[in-house]
Amino acid sequence: QSVLTQPPSVSGAPGQRVTISCTGNSSNMGANYDVHWYQQLAGLAPKLVIFDNTNRPSGVPDRFSGSKSGTSASLAITGLQADDEADYYCQSYDYHLSRSVFGGGTKLTVL
Amino acid sequence: EVQLVESGGGLVRPGGSLRLSCAASGSRFYAFAMHWVRQVPGKGLECVSSINHDGGITYIDSVKGRFTVSRDDVQKSLHLEMNSLRPEDTAFYFCARGQGGYSHVAFDIWGQGTMVIVSP
Repeated sequence: QSVLTQPPSVSGAPGQRVTISCTGNSSNMGANYDVHWYQQLAGLAPKLVIFDNTNRPSGVPDRFSGSKSGTSASLAITGLQADDEADYYCQSYDYHLSRSVFGGGTKLTVL
Repeated sequence: EVQLVESGGGLVRPGGSLRLSCAASGSRFYAFAMHWVRQVPGKGLECVSSINHDGGITYIDSVKGRFTVSRDDVQKSLHLEMNSLRPEDTAFYFCARGQGGYSHVAFDIWGQGTMVIVSP
């Protein structure tokens, strides 16, 4: 059971927009800790795609965007492409646990 | 470009020990928090242990008393000493760098991972 809750799967057709939700509680996202998002392509290490709720690392296309409000956050991907198919994880910090925590991951399928 | 390279994984019997290492390239290794994140094949990510730039350390409950994280800022390396290994410790273990000195920031650089298999 992950501390942060994500839907197990989402899907969309090429060119469409999809969103992935991440829900926490008052000891992590609700305590004003930032949310970060990772993309994990099959067989590879995770890659940071959004940090501090809304920021994109250099090299990540602007089709990826993030938002956060209270105990919830979302990752949006517009103009869906085949190579966006991957597992996506949200992450935050939990002050009760005194450590970083991840969501259970969401598998994005491009139809 | 900063790179992280893990080593030390392998097959070990229950109750055995392994020492994972992570070698970092690039500068200012001392300034960043470092983390060990594991992933059971086909499952999600779990941050096993973190060590801040100032030496502050955290572990998940299931490895407390069995795993020990350490860092060598001169050698730019991170280590995870794993004792009393259990089958449920079987996973890929990734080394990851925090964007800053403490554990609440994003993990911006990841190694390729090393596999640990605990089996009779």
